[in-house]
Amino acid sequence: AQSVTQLGSHVSVSEGALVLLRCNYSSSVPPYLFWYVQYPNQGLQLLLKYTTGATLVKGINGFEAEFKKSETSFHLTKPSAHMSDAAEYFCAVSDNTDKLIFGTGTRLQVFP
Amino acid sequence: ETGVTQSPTHLIKTRGQQVTLRCSSQSGHNTVSWYQQALGQGPQFIFQYYREEENGRGNFPPRFSGLQFPNYSSELNVNALELDDSALYLCASSLAQRGNTGELFFGEGSRLTVL
Repeated sequence: AQSVTQLGSHVSVSEGALVLLRCNYSSSVPPYLFWYVQYPNQGLQLLLKYTTGATLVKGINGFEAEFKKSETSFHLTKPSAHMSDAAEYFCAVSDNTDKLIFGTGTRLQVFP
Repeated sequence: ETGVTQSPTHLIKTRGQQVTLRCSSQSGHNTVSWYQQALGQGPQFIFQYYREEENGRGNFPPRFSGLQFPNYSSELNVNALELDDSALYLCASSLAQRGNTGELFFGEGSRLTVL
């Protein structure tokens, strides 16, 4: 069975500060890992994904995430937050299918 | 731009009623998945359709059913609505192929309120 845990349901940062959203996974098979973003009243948009190969994955809007097998983590980072980054972020895992298991989400607030 | 469209965007039903939600997949995509997102939660996988056949189901009762049509559009039907069915229902399309890496394209969802 697979599962995802997102630590911190709310994260607040100042504009220009580092963004760090935490995700830990559990999987009995090599996982495929994803980060999605959801803006208010919208569907989910893929930020980035890890399948195989390079463990540091770069995504859209300046976000990146690093797959750490030893820590079963896939934390999302961005060096400098922008007001437009305020949204809900979801980490997800799959077993090489397109049936995703999502975490409960982290709401990111960015203050000026 | 994802190209996945859902209708209706909002609807209100009463307990015991039935509801049908519709989804038009992104052009060229042959797989559609439905997710339920309760308030404050992450999306939960309901089921997936590939070439008009169910291709996997999550932990949802049989009163949740679906259809996929030859043009790859899809419906989600829920019978005997319960209060806990109130949620945002998300449709996602993808292109099933060898080495599929799970890139789903989501619609904006249908928000169902059951009173």
